[in-house]
Amino acid sequence: KQEVTQIPAALSVPEGENLVLNCSFTDSAIYNLQWFRQDPGKGLTSLLLIQSSQREQTSGRLNASLDKSSGRSTLYIAASQPGDSATYLCAVKVDNFNKFYFGSGTKLNVKP
Amino acid sequence: DVKVTQSSRYLVKRTGEKVFLECVQDMDHENMFWYRQDPGLGLRLIYFSYDVKMKEKGDIPEGYSVSREKKERFSLILESASTNQTSMYLCASSSFGAAGSTDTQYFGPGTRLTVL
Repeated sequence: KQEVTQIPAALSVPEGENLVLNCSFTDSAIYNLQWFRQDPGKGLTSLLLIQSSQREQTSGRLNASLDKSSGRSTLYIAASQPGDSATYLCAVKVDNFNKFYFGSGTKLNVKP
Repeated sequence: DVKVTQSSRYLVKRTGEKVFLECVQDMDHENMFWYRQDPGLGLRLIYFSYDVKMKEKGDIPEGYSVSREKKERFSLILESASTNQTSMYLCASSSFGAAGSTDTQYFGPGTRLTVL
C-alpha cells in the first residue's frame, strides 16, 4: 500500500524567505503527484501537478520537483508572503479513477 | 466556476444516531470521493464512486456506507455514529482521469462532525 510522508509537519518562517517542503512516497508506480493547499476550515485547492514522466513544474513563485525513482518530491516557495500561510499537502495518483494517497501535510506560517 | 458543496459545515450528533452527509457537484464528474481528515493522519479515503450506483471501499470503510443514486450527488452514511467518528469529512469529485490526464480532484469545504 502506498504511504506518503511529509516533513516537516510545521514550519514558521519570516516573510521573504525561500523555503522547501518535502514529500516522500513508498511506491514509485504513480501516475502523477500533486501539491494542494488547504486554508483553515476549508477544502483543498490544487497548486501544481507533475506527471510521472516530468521532473518539475512551475507556477509563479512555486516550483515542484519530482524524483520518481527515489520516491521524493519538493515544493519550493520563493519570497514567501503572509498570504502563503496554510497547510500544504502532497498526493500521489495511483490509478485511472483519480484515486489519490495524501500526506498529512506541512502547516506553514509566514510571519510579517 | 467549478463547485462541490456539502450539506453542512458543522454537525453535532449523539452516539448511536444515524448521520447523513451530503455532497453535490455541478461539473458532471464521473468520480466522487469521501475522505476523513484527522490531525497527523492526513486525508484517508473512506469510499469512492466511479459511476451512478457504483461504489468502492477505500482504506477505512468500516462503520460507513455510501449512496450514489444520481451522478451529481454522493452521500456518506454513518449507520450508528460513534465518538471515534468525530472528524472533518471532505468530499471531492473528478473526471475519469486516464493516464496522462491533468485532471485533479475538486474539494468541498468540509463538514466538521462531532459525535458526543
